Amino acid sequence: SQTIHQWPATLVQPVGSPLSLECTVEGTSNPNLYWYRQAAGRGLQLLFYSVGIGQISSEVPQNLSASRPQDRQFILSSKKLLLSDSGFYLCAWTLGGIEAFFGQGTRLTVV
Amino acid sequence: ILNVEQSPQSLHVQEGDSTNFTCSFPSSNFYALHWYRWETAKSPEALFVMTLNGDEKKKGRISATLNTKEGYSYLYIKGSQPEDSATYLCALRTGNQFYFGTGTSLTVIP
Repeated sequence: SQTIHQWPATLVQPVGSPLSLECTVEGTSNPNLYWYRQAAGRGLQLLFYSVGIGQISSEVPQNLSASRPQDRQFILSSKKLLLSDSGFYLCAWTLGGIEAFFGQGTRLTVV
Repeated sequence: ILNVEQSPQSLHVQEGDSTNFTCSFPSSNFYALHWYRWETAKSPEALFVMTLNGDEKKKGRISATLNTKEGYSYLYIKGSQPEDSATYLCALRTGNQFYFGTGTSLTVIP
């Protein structure tokens, strides 16, 4: 069966520090991968999605970037975190776009 | 970016009451409408996927309807129970992208 792993679960980082969140999917090949963020009091905002290795689409201009170095690995990064980057980050995958399955999420607090 | 809206933002109901909430979306570029149930510190859990105008889906006490021409979907909960307390998210799927609404936070008071 397919599973998705996302880590870490919680993270507290100072302003200006780098960020790396990792998401991996098991049990499937060539999934579509997504990064979402929920800022305080807001819904889930699509940040990035990827339909294949090295193929990244960005939905909103921001302080973040994403990479897909391997078929089932999706990484969310920042060189210098801002206070406004705080939020709950969710990784998701789909196969054929039929249903989206989510990781457990990462609570990021930038201090 | 597509704008998917949900209302109300939050809702408190008494145990046993029935309730419903709305998801509005742009009717162009429609591929499917998804409903998810999201509990704090857990992954969103898929409830329904609807693709056809007039679709109605049911799962226990929860049901959903879809109107793609006017761009809305309703989620109904019959006889709410405390365990129904969660945030209910709708998502519009267009091709490869899923665009989520802001969610409706439901609290069922025992």
